[in-house]
Amino acid sequence: QLQLQESGPGLVKPSETLSLTCTVSGGSISSSSYYWGWIRQPPGKGLEWIGSIYYSGSTYYNPSLKSRVTISVDTSKNQFSLKLSSVTAADTAVYYCARLVGLGVTKVRFIDYWGQGTLVTVSS
Amino acid sequence: AIQLTQSPSSLSASVGDRVTITCRASQGISSALAWYQQKPGKAPKLLIYDASSLESGVPSRFSGSGSGTDFTLTISSLQPEDFATYYCQQFDTFGGGTKVEIK
Repeated sequence: QLQLQESGPGLVKPSETLSLTCTVSGGSISSSSYYWGWIRQPPGKGLEWIGSIYYSGSTYYNPSLKSRVTISVDTSKNQFSLKLSSVTAADTAVYYCARLVGLGVTKVRFIDYWGQGTLVTVSS
Repeated sequence: AIQLTQSPSSLSASVGDRVTITCRASQGISSALAWYQQKPGKAPKLLIYDASSLESGVPSRFSGSGSGTDFTLTISSLQPEDFATYYCQQFDTFGGGTKVEIK
C-alpha cells in the first residue's frame, strides 16, 4: 500500500523559506506511470495547487506561486521536496503531498494518493 | 486559466436524499475531471475520475457525469458518512468546494 508522509517545520517566520519533504513508501517514485505534487489548503478554505514533478525532474508550478516555488526530487531517497520562499501569513496552510495520475506534469487527470497533510504556520 | 465553479457552495440534506453537485468550467474542458470527498482534518479522497469512472472501493451510490463545461456528482441515497465537503478538479485547478450538511 502506497504511503506518503510530509515532514518539515510547522512554524516558519515571515520572509523566510518554507521547506517540506515528502517520503514515499510502498512504491517507487521513479515509476514512469506517475507524477508527484504538492497541494495546500489554508485553514477553513479550499484546495490550491502548488506544483508537480516527474521523477526525471520535469516540473510545473502554479503561475500564481511560480516566482517563489521550487519542487525537486531525490530518487535515491524516494522523496520529493517543496521550497516556498518569502513566505507571509497568507502561506499558512495544511500542505499535502500527493501522487498524481496524468498525461504530463501539466495534465494531471486525478490524484489517487495523498499524504495526511502537515500544518505550516507563518508567524514571527 | 480555467476556472471551476461549484454549486451550490453548501447544502443541507437528509439521509436517503438524492444529492447533485455541479461543477462548471469557464471554458470547454476535456473529460479529465475528478471529484473528491474531504472530511474535517483529513486529506481528500478520490471518488470519481475522468468525469464518470468510479474509483475502486467507492460505493456505487456515487456517480459522475458531464462533458464540455458542465459536470455533476450525484449521490443517489445520502448516507451518514457522506456528510463532507466535495471538490472537483481538472489539471491544476480545483473548484471552490460544496459542503454537504445534515438537515
